[in-house]
Amino acid sequence: EAGVAQSPRYKIIEKRQSVAFWCNPISGHATLYWYQQILGQGPKLLIQFQNNGVVDDSQLPKDRFSAERLKGVDSTLKIQPAKLEDSAVYLCASSPFANTDTQYFGPGTRLTVL
Amino acid sequence: AQSVSQHNHHVILSEAASLELGCNYSYGGTVNLFWYVQYPGQHLQLLLKYFSGDPLVKGIKGFEAEFIKSKFSFNLRKPSVQWSDTAEYFCAVKGYSSASKIIFGSGTRLSIRP
Repeated sequence: EAGVAQSPRYKIIEKRQSVAFWCNPISGHATLYWYQQILGQGPKLLIQFQNNGVVDDSQLPKDRFSAERLKGVDSTLKIQPAKLEDSAVYLCASSPFANTDTQYFGPGTRLTVL
Repeated sequence: AQSVSQHNHHVILSEAASLELGCNYSYGGTVNLFWYVQYPGQHLQLLLKYFSGDPLVKGIKGFEAEFIKSKFSFNLRKPSVQWSDTAEYFCAVKGYSSASKIIFGSGTRLSIRP
């Protein structure tokens, strides 16, 4: 079974630039999550989708971050404009159902904002 | 507010030593508890989980964890570690309702000396 795919794996940008990350979840998984993991911290949930609807985006900084999952499959996370404190690993995860136990994580995208 | 504390940031052990990683959580209600592991260069993956029933939970690779409700703890144990257990370990808590989000601890880095 193919895992969660993410791209790019690494990205370096200047502050105030824009950046987008892509995630392809495991086939058939209805729930998709985006996490931000700052160095030395655990993953923090940014947004959770159930199919193409948003379940929880309470920790998403909506003034600069946006995410979509238009057809209930792939998802993109965008930052515009980026700040230095956005430097982190952005993880995508998926699970078969909304309240299931196991989330399957992708390799992450390491973002460096200079 | 929900929170998870992992007090050991970095643990160094020799092979065959016993391991116990601490995890304490704060949550006002029924919880689901998890330990995730990230081996060097690999994705985050589930090690074990507790939902209900026997508070002693067994996971992969000889790991186990004990849920002690009165102490709000879910410590991870292994009687004899191997060099291949070198990884970062994350404890996580999620409320029982489908509306609850998963909260991760800051992680414990485990280094095993061969």
